[in-house]
Amino acid sequence: DQQVKQNSPSLSVQEGRISILNCDYTNSMFDYFLWYKKYPAEGPTFLISISSIKDKNEDGRFTVFLNKSAKHLSLHIVPSQPGDSAVYFCAASGRAGSYQLTFGKGTKLSVIP
Amino acid sequence: KAGVTQTPRYLIKTRGQQVTLSCSPISGHRSVSWYQQTPGQGLQFLFEYFSETQRNKGNFPGRFSGRQFSNSRSEMNVSTLELGDSALYLCASSLVALSSYNEQFFGPGTRLTVL
Repeated sequence: DQQVKQNSPSLSVQEGRISILNCDYTNSMFDYFLWYKKYPAEGPTFLISISSIKDKNEDGRFTVFLNKSAKHLSLHIVPSQPGDSAVYFCAASGRAGSYQLTFGKGTKLSVIP
Repeated sequence: KAGVTQTPRYLIKTRGQQVTLSCSPISGHRSVSWYQQTPGQGLQFLFEYFSETQRNKGNFPGRFSGRQFSNSRSEMNVSTLELGDSALYLCASSLVALSSYNEQFFGPGTRLTVL
């Protein structure tokens, strides 16, 4: 039973355009969500997070949107750059002080110059 | 500030053997978590340690175990290796604030191949 789902295994976007990566979750106990980026042969790198009390969080070119009623979150990257090409993982946590993250299977983003 | 370090980076073992992987967290980080990454299952939580105590455990068999030392360094052990244990094992560390969330910082991982 996959509690965090990233239904698109891959996504290709032209440089300068917007990249939108999607994530759905089923467990209503999740209340904190994170996005990680991973390059080959490296560990995941934290990008941005959002608490369930918010519906949007921005950090530079990265914005995460949360729709609690739909149990859906998305990561927007604007503008996309070739260096953004990586695998992006959505992760969720159930409670404050818990360090058990449940990850989606990732979406491979390719930004074409 | 040095990041999370994991040793060894690559390891080849045969079925039935056991293996120990090591993780040194970022200085000051007291929580250490372990994850297994495979192509089919993605990243799956193994366990989390804080102050030398296991606080959370994922759904893995008892062959997978871990410990944390007083300096927050952690080791995980897999006994009686099976072919399906071939994976990238990732360690992550975090500051601890019980009333809030803290992102986890990952190491580069140990690539284990079981033959």
